Amino acid sequence: AQSVTQLDSQVPVFEEAPVELRCNYSSSVSVYLFWYVQYPNQGLQLLLKYLSGSTLVKGINGFEAEFNKSQTSFHLRKPSVHISDTAEYFCAVSRFSGGYNKLIFGAGTRLAVHP
Amino acid sequence: NAGVTQTPKFRILKIGQSMTLQCAQDMNHNYMYWYRQDPGMGLKLIYYSVGAGITDKGEVPNGYNVSRSTTEDFPLRLELAAPSQTSVYFCASSYSLAGVTDTQYFGPGTRLTVL
Repeated sequence: AQSVTQLDSQVPVFEEAPVELRCNYSSSVSVYLFWYVQYPNQGLQLLLKYLSGSTLVKGINGFEAEFNKSQTSFHLRKPSVHISDTAEYFCAVSRFSGGYNKLIFGAGTRLAVHP
Repeated sequence: NAGVTQTPKFRILKIGQSMTLQCAQDMNHNYMYWYRQDPGMGLKLIYYSVGAGITDKGEVPNGYNVSRSTTEDFPLRLELAAPSQTSVYFCASSYSLAGVTDTQYFGPGTRLTVL
């Protein structure tokens, strides 16, 4: 069975500092990987996704993630964060079951950007 | 193009009451999903649908029912509300071709409290 582990439940950081949000997954087969962001009192919005090809994936708002197959990781990074990046971030892996792909979500990482 | 819409935004129910959470999408997506989000737990799939007239259970279906009479609408029914169903409910949709599911688009959520 596939699972997703987000290693940090909360990450405090100062504005303009770099940040890395960690995500590890367990799977014995090829996977699709996603990062979603949830701003306060809103639904989830796709940041970026890895389906195939280049292991470095660029997303919206200056975020990027690197797929590392040997370490089964898909960490999210941003070189300089803004106050507006304060949100909850979810890593997800796609699992093929019952004839289609389902998303399995991690528990989330709350990013708090301080001035 | 409104995307995925959900009503109501908030609701308080008494134990044993019933209600229907509405979800609609205008993107002509074939797949639709219902998730619940509990604090620190990520999102859990309740039910999903791969097309009009076809639904199936997700990870946590007990206490819920769904129907999909049209491509656009995917209501979630709670028959006998229990405190354990206090949660934030998200509806999502995606387009899938030949079993490969692309990005899921989420609604803004319904915050339900059962007292």
